[in-house]
Amino acid sequence: DAGVIQSPRHEVTEMGQEVTLRCKPISGHDYLFWYRQTMMRGLELLIYFNNNVPIDDSGMPEDRFSAKMPNASFSTLKIQPSEPRDSAVYFCASSLVGAGYDVRDNEQFFGPGTRLTVL
Amino acid sequence: DQQVKQNSPSLSVQEGRISILNCDYTNSMFDYFLWYKKYPAEGPTFLISISSIKDKNEDGRFTVFLNKSAKHLSLHIVPSQPGDSAVYFCAAGEGKLIFGQGTTLQVKP
Repeated sequence: DAGVIQSPRHEVTEMGQEVTLRCKPISGHDYLFWYRQTMMRGLELLIYFNNNVPIDDSGMPEDRFSAKMPNASFSTLKIQPSEPRDSAVYFCASSLVGAGYDVRDNEQFFGPGTRLTVL
Repeated sequence: DQQVKQNSPSLSVQEGRISILNCDYTNSMFDYFLWYKKYPAEGPTFLISISSIKDKNEDGRFTVFLNKSAKHLSLHIVPSQPGDSAVYFCAAGEGKLIFGQGTTLQVKP
């Protein structure tokens, strides 16, 4: 299994531009999560999907952020327009179960991340 | 409001000694807790977990302790090895995982 795949690995853009981050979860996983890593707040959950349906988007910072999951093997996180404060590492993760009774069922598998720099 | 807190941004330990990483949480409803390890330019990977009904879980050199009355958990690494140098995140679960800020561990040879 290739694991969770994210692209691009690095993105440098200018303020005001649209940015699209992509994720391919592990085949068979029902849950997909988008996180943002910053020094101050660590790993913040932005949004997560179950069977392609958004379940909780309370972590999405503002309307400039949007996420979609058109099918079980692909998801995008879009920022439009981007701002310098959006600079961070964005991770996608997937899991078999979102809230299972066995602790190990809830293990999330992370992709390598996309390092976003907005100038 | 940070529900899961790792108050030590960094920790430096000599090889062979014990590393203790700490994590505090505020929500008594969390069902389970996990520790993840992250190397530079890689995503976090699962390390060890513990259910809220237990107070200790051990896996080789790694042991996680849970003190529910204090809402505190800790990860012990004994003996520490240079390859353990990484960022460690604790996470608490209630359907979704809430992560702490991370602690950077450096194990010196």
